[in-house]
Amino acid sequence: TQLLEQSPQFLSIQEGENLTVYCNSSSVFSSLQWYRQEPGEGPVLLVTVVTGGEVKKLKRLTFQFGDARKDSSLHITAAQPGDTGLYLCAGDRNTPLVFGKGTRLSVIA
Amino acid sequence: EAGVVQSPRYKIIEKKQPVAFWCNPISGHNTLYWYLQNLGQGPELLIRYENEEAVDDSQLPKDRFSAERLKGVDSTLKIQPAELGDSAVYLCASSLGGGDSMNTEAFFGQGTRLTVV
Repeated sequence: TQLLEQSPQFLSIQEGENLTVYCNSSSVFSSLQWYRQEPGEGPVLLVTVVTGGEVKKLKRLTFQFGDARKDSSLHITAAQPGDTGLYLCAGDRNTPLVFGKGTRLSVIA
Repeated sequence: EAGVVQSPRYKIIEKKQPVAFWCNPISGHNTLYWYLQNLGQGPELLIRYENEEAVDDSQLPKDRFSAERLKGVDSTLKIQPAELGDSAVYLCASSLGGGDSMNTEAFFGQGTRLTVV
């Protein structure tokens, strides 16, 4: 059983479109992190959300932590080809950081 | 400041041979992770160290995998003997450690891509 479920698994969109990817769990997390991974590289941290209902913005990326701290979403506005990559969420439950399987995003110019 | 350094970047070995990976975490980071990542999947934890102590190694296949973190800094992960199914990317990550949520933010190396033939 996967602790963190990410959806969709794959997403291919045109440049300029908006998109949302989701990270869901039945467990409560003390914090949740989002990473982006490009081919041949390790994941790179984008943001950490800690408080239920918290919203954080990073340029065109908006991250939201669910009120119950069980789920999170990542919304990208006006996607660009440079946003292409594997988006991973990772949950912290005072145990080793646990990752979802990721959403592979492809933005086509 | 240097990030997490892993070597080698790539390794091709024949099955049943041994292989070792090396990781140098960010200076001052107490927590060190080894993850395995299959193509198109998220990282799966193999082992976590707090300083030199392995605090979570329940996912490490101990019949063939071993790891050490001498002096609580560098770490090595070894597979002996390697099997075809071990082909994957092995990622090392480090974090500050401690109770604060920000201290669990992980910084990853580029990984070692292992191919067992």
